[in-house]
Amino acid sequence: AQKVTQAQTEISVVEKEDVTLDCVYETRDTTYYLFWYKQPPSGELVFLIRRNSFDEQNEISGRYSWNFQKSTSSFNFTITASQVVDSAVYFCALSVNAGNNRKLIWGLGTSLAVNP
Amino acid sequence: GAGVSQTPSNKVTEKGKYVELRCDPISGHTALYWYRQSLGQGPEFLIYFQGTGAADDSGLPNDRFFAVRPEGSVSTLKIQRTERGDSAVYLCASSSNLAGGRETQYFGPGTRLLVL
Repeated sequence: AQKVTQAQTEISVVEKEDVTLDCVYETRDTTYYLFWYKQPPSGELVFLIRRNSFDEQNEISGRYSWNFQKSTSSFNFTITASQVVDSAVYFCALSVNAGNNRKLIWGLGTSLAVNP
Repeated sequence: GAGVSQTPSNKVTEKGKYVELRCDPISGHTALYWYRQSLGQGPEFLIYFQGTGAADDSGLPNDRFFAVRPEGSVSTLKIQRTERGDSAVYLCASSSNLAGGRETQYFGPGTRLLVL
């Protein structure tokens, strides 16, 4: 099965708290890509990061960091010192081979509310 | 503009009517995707174009849905005999065909379709 699971449906934190959004994936592919997208209330999906299956280095971008662990098939996303503007639905996605296409398999999303 | 644009941003129609949704991808992007997103769900794949041809239309739910991309740039998603269950946000995404870039899909703001 090829699947993305985001077990946390909703998370609520107070501003300045750190928060980690979990993502667990399943795939038969040996080459695949993982993504995180942010969907603010405006509705547009904003690309945050892409990671390929051969690169397990963690990445940090400002207050955002990502922890990719193939051993546990997880690609977790941490926001440090959260801000109200971080309030959004965050989607984890997996890109897999599908014939002459690469399909994105999406998790159901985690709705993050950052309260002042 | 630099991003993916979609028109209209909102569309209200009556059951049984025909609608067209337009997507203008990022300039130079050869790959174009249509998705549908219902409330509380991740995006659901509909169709993928590489250039002018539909390389994968396996996500189209039935023959009422059709999409074209005649010149390899702008795409139109067409829905005939609309049903209330077609109400959703229709998202368009595009990606580069350059090595290292083709995996990342950039999304437009979506068209919110409401079928009464």
